[in-house]
Amino acid sequence: QVQLVQSGAEVKKPGASVKVSCKTSGYNFTSYDINWVRQASGQGLEWMGWMNPDTGSTGYAQKFQGRVTMTWITSISTAYMELSSLSSEDTAVYYCARGVGNTVVTIEYYFDYWGLGTLVTVPS
Amino acid sequence: QSVLTQPPSASGTPGQRVTISCSGSSSNIGSNTVTWYQQLPGTAPKLLIYSNNQRPSGVPDRFSGSKSGTSASLAISGLQSEDEADYYCAAWDDSLSGNVVFGGGTKLTVL
Repeated sequence: QVQLVQSGAEVKKPGASVKVSCKTSGYNFTSYDINWVRQASGQGLEWMGWMNPDTGSTGYAQKFQGRVTMTWITSISTAYMELSSLSSEDTAVYYCARGVGNTVVTIEYYFDYWGLGTLVTVPS
Repeated sequence: QSVLTQPPSASGTPGQRVTISCSGSSSNIGSNTVTWYQQLPGTAPKLLIYSNNQRPSGVPDRFSGSKSGTSASLAISGLQSEDEADYYCAAWDDSLSGNVVFGGGTKLTVL
């Protein structure tokens, strides 16, 4: 069965960086995108970006460009999301999610499997 | 401020039919398919509806989705207590080099 297992909770100081991992299993790692979505406490979902381990492509939400880096190691089927220059506003649960996409006339893109989330806390 | 607009809350009694709306624009819902996610309290989101109206295996047929123009709707019939959750719509947005946009979420309460 498909699984996305994320690394444990982190507490970081303002200005520091955090790197969250997402170890996948149960499918061919290079056949699907991995996306990152975050959720602050009591708030909605916020998409951060995607990575394609087959083509080597990445795409980041404009809000996070210059501050986020998505990487992966194919041999261990693991994706990483690093966010730098942290502030208290980055305190949130960070989810990795497998992306499924099809483009014919319209773009169909959705997340069919999600990790359980990683809480990142940046005290103010 | 979310790109897609959802009502913050909705409610219904067991057995009732409830609908949740999602409004967007020509660059997202008007051009691409809509996805719905269900997030039960304290858990990760779960895929509920994809490609506007398709249910993944295991999702009851009480859940249905539709899309018209730049708006979409999620309908839940035969409401059950376990349906109490947050529901999010999402779509790919063609503007700004492309990205996924979410609605702000709708908290469904089963009275």
